[in-house]
Amino acid sequence: DTGVSQDPRHKITKRGQNVTFRCDPISEHNRLYWYRQTLGQGPEFLTYFQNEAQLEKSRLLSDRFSAERPKGSFSTLEIQRTEQGDSAMYLCASSAAGQNYGYTFGSGTRLTVV
Amino acid sequence: AQSVTQLGSHVSVSEGALVLLRCNYSSSVPPYLFWYVQYPNQGLQLLLKYTSAATLVKGINGFEAEFKKSETSFHLTKPSAHMSDAAEYFCAVDLQGAQKLVFGQGTRLTINP
Repeated sequence: DTGVSQDPRHKITKRGQNVTFRCDPISEHNRLYWYRQTLGQGPEFLTYFQNEAQLEKSRLLSDRFSAERPKGSFSTLEIQRTEQGDSAMYLCASSAAGQNYGYTFGSGTRLTVV
Repeated sequence: AQSVTQLGSHVSVSEGALVLLRCNYSSSVPPYLFWYVQYPNQGLQLLLKYTSAATLVKGINGFEAEFKKSETSFHLTKPSAHMSDAAEYFCAVDLQGAQKLVFGQGTRLTINP
């Protein structure tokens, strides 16, 4: 297992288009998190899954955002009708319950909306 | 509510000098605390974490941090800076049971030759 994988690494899209990102966590990790990081800021929590259940969503996650983890393994984050304000780095992290709070982050997907 | 404040958005030190990056937190219960490093266009790499064991925590690449409850601080230090330490550093807090990290705004560390 090579860690948390995110695809694509970079995405440029036109305003109004839909985009989907994928995250593959460490295989034995049952928790998966999405964060958003804008330029010059720290990451902000978006949502969190335990297995396939989405247990918490930030108010930052507007109706245009949806995340899924259908089989408790990989996860997708979709943004509909993208806006320029959605331009950011989207980070995925995973952890295993009971493992002393070890969060492993992926390399992120950088989204640019033009 | 929990929050994290990193004092100084940009710190510059000479190669071989002491590195000190400051982090203060606010939390109603003892938190778990983390320092992450981020290189350009990369994700976050864990440097070290405090999870209520020893207050002085040693991490990777020669970094360490000390949890001081009375000062609500978790400052990151390294005795001798190396050029490869140039990066963005983030302090983060996890309220026990909250299952999410709250990050500070980051400190950009520059190393002068």
